Amino acid sequence: EADIYQTPRYLVIGTGKKITLECSQTMGHDKMYWYQQDPGMELHLIHYSYGVNSTEKGDLSSESTVSRIRTEHFPLTLESARPSHTSQYLCASSEAGTWGETQYFGPGTRLLVL
Amino acid sequence: SQQGEEDPQALSIQEGENATMNCSYKTSINNLQWYRQNSGRGLVHLILIRSNEREKHSGRLRVTLDTSKKSSSLLITASRAADTASYFCAPTYFNQGGKLIFGQGTELSVKP
Repeated sequence: EADIYQTPRYLVIGTGKKITLECSQTMGHDKMYWYQQDPGMELHLIHYSYGVNSTEKGDLSSESTVSRIRTEHFPLTLESARPSHTSQYLCASSEAGTWGETQYFGPGTRLLVL
Repeated sequence: SQQGEEDPQALSIQEGENATMNCSYKTSINNLQWYRQNSGRGLVHLILIRSNEREKHSGRLRVTLDTSKKSSSLLITASRAADTASYFCAPTYFNQGGKLIFGQGTELSVKP
């Protein structure tokens, strides 16, 4: 099992609420990622970070934002949740490098916005 | 799109049989990785094969890579019910900064 954690595992929330999905890893990895995945579908990269104070948008446009103040912590925030944000959110991390290193995934957060 | 495309989309076999899943990609890769995802969980890395490698083994898993055909296959031998999961290939490209681009995966069901 990889040492990467996500909380909460499940979240049901009403429209308009602000939410933060937590992701932390204890492997000292520089790179961290957020993916969004609908049931039975592919993963879409929505945010990534190459290290502290580095954040980039991924291939899929997302209304969420991220921050990377500490190496081990990469939270994702939605300022105003909407039903279209209902999905599974997966966090991952990898060692530094540019050659497509192995990524280690957390268990995911299932978000349902009513 | 530069994602890998898995084939078949779904596969159902009996315990003890072999399962073969294929992946095709578009342009030259640096490496190709295979991951497994159990229902509702995160992904687990299975094997990474580099562009200069043709075959790799890990336990009951065997991955091949044919760069001339831009394809890879994952073979699971003597399958077990616990192998039931979705399997994703993720090619990595030199111009993508090492990012993984996932396809829709192959949904494998192994019946006892």
